[in-house]
Amino acid sequence: QSVLTQPPSVSAAPGQKVTISCSGSTSNIGNNYVSWYQHLPGRAPKLLIYENNKRPSGIPDRFSGSKSGTSATLGITGLQTGDEADYYCGTWDSSLSAVVFGGGTRLTVL
Amino acid sequence: QVQLVESGGGVVQPGRSLRLSCEASGITFSNYGMHWVRQGPGKGLEWVAVISYDGSDKYYGDSVKGRFTISRDNSKNTLYLQMNSLRPEDTAVYYCAKDVQFAIDHWGQGTLVTVSS
Repeated sequence: QSVLTQPPSVSAAPGQKVTISCSGSTSNIGNNYVSWYQHLPGRAPKLLIYENNKRPSGIPDRFSGSKSGTSATLGITGLQTGDEADYYCGTWDSSLSAVVFGGGTRLTVL
Repeated sequence: QVQLVESGGGVVQPGRSLRLSCEASGITFSNYGMHWVRQGPGKGLEWVAVISYDGSDKYYGDSVKGRFTISRDNSKNTLYLQMNSLRPEDTAVYYCAKDVQFAIDHWGQGTLVTVSS
């Protein structure tokens, strides 16, 4: 059981937009920055979003992040088949003194 | 560019020990905190441990606390994970990763650890 809650799966058609939610508590999302990761099978995970809404260089602006209270959201617009992957949110949990990840969301581009 | 190369994985019997290494290049290693993150078969990412840039602070996930030890040698640009009292549920791909304010901006390709008799 993950500390952060994500939907197990989402799907949308190519070119459409999808959002992935990440729900936590005041000890984690509520008081710390959230990051988002893309994980393709057999590959190293990739940082998409850090500090709630910042994109590392090389990450297209089709990917966006937001946070409100104890929840965060990853948005992906202009979906491409290459976006099919598992997506994880992560943050620091001040009560646990640990990094915590969501359980992951499998994105299917139909 | 940043490169993180893990080594030391393999097959080990339950109750035995294993040490993973991660050699970093392309960064000033001694400036950054470093993590170990794992992914078991069919499971999601699970954070294992983090160590501060100078090794003075270390934190662990509950499932490995008391059994695993994270350490680093900044003179060798190398991160370590000493894993003792291994269990079948420790079977996973173990990733070495670079910290940026408790986000992780670079990951290695991973090394597979299989705990089985």
